[in-house]
Amino acid sequence: KAGVTQTPRYLIKTRGQQVTLSCSPISGHRSVSWYQQTPGQGLQFLFEYFSETQRNKGNFPGRFSGRQFSNSRSEMNVSTLELGDSALYLCASRQGYNEQFFGPGTRLTVL
Amino acid sequence: SQQGEEDPQALSIQEGENATMNCSYKTSINNLQWYRQNSGRGLVHLILIRSNEREKHSGRLRVTLDTSKKSSSLLITASRAADTASYFCATVLTYSGAGSYQLTFGKGTKLSVIP
Repeated sequence: KAGVTQTPRYLIKTRGQQVTLSCSPISGHRSVSWYQQTPGQGLQFLFEYFSETQRNKGNFPGRFSGRQFSNSRSEMNVSTLELGDSALYLCASRQGYNEQFFGPGTRLTVL
Repeated sequence: SQQGEEDPQALSIQEGENATMNCSYKTSINNLQWYRQNSGRGLVHLILIRSNEREKHSGRLRVTLDTSKKSSSLLITASRAADTASYFCATVLTYSGAGSYQLTFGKGTKLSVIP
């Protein structure tokens, strides 16, 4: 099976802009989660989607949002970008209450 | 907040030696997972150990779990230069019944294997 894919791999944006990141889970996986990784805060959970419904959300401002489509593909959106949003954004999928498999990540740089 | 804390933060060993990394956590868990990350790339899943298990093996990897001490260890035997990476433990809290699932990561151990 193909692994989790994320697009784009790299993004450069300026403050105030918005950005949309995309994730395609492993075939058959209905749960998709998003994580943010920064040098200062480490890996932090953003949210999880299952069957197009957000099931769990981390402690992030409302500027961070996401959605999941009927084919389980997911997008996350960050509006009004701030310098501190520069990070590696990781998407992961899983089946059941098992291990999560991560994609290669999207490196977002906010200037 | 960080549920897991790895120890040590950094570890440097010679090729062929064993590497042991430890992880402590704070609350009851459903399972604990170990991941590897090379230079800011994606996370590679290594092993999942459930709360009712005490030890699991996968190739050169051995993971133990002590729920009474809320700790886990990852042992890499006969290390290779290619094992150089950051290693993270991540916990999944006790199943809430709502189907929620999130990994809570520690800050990781940076392993350097010197050829």
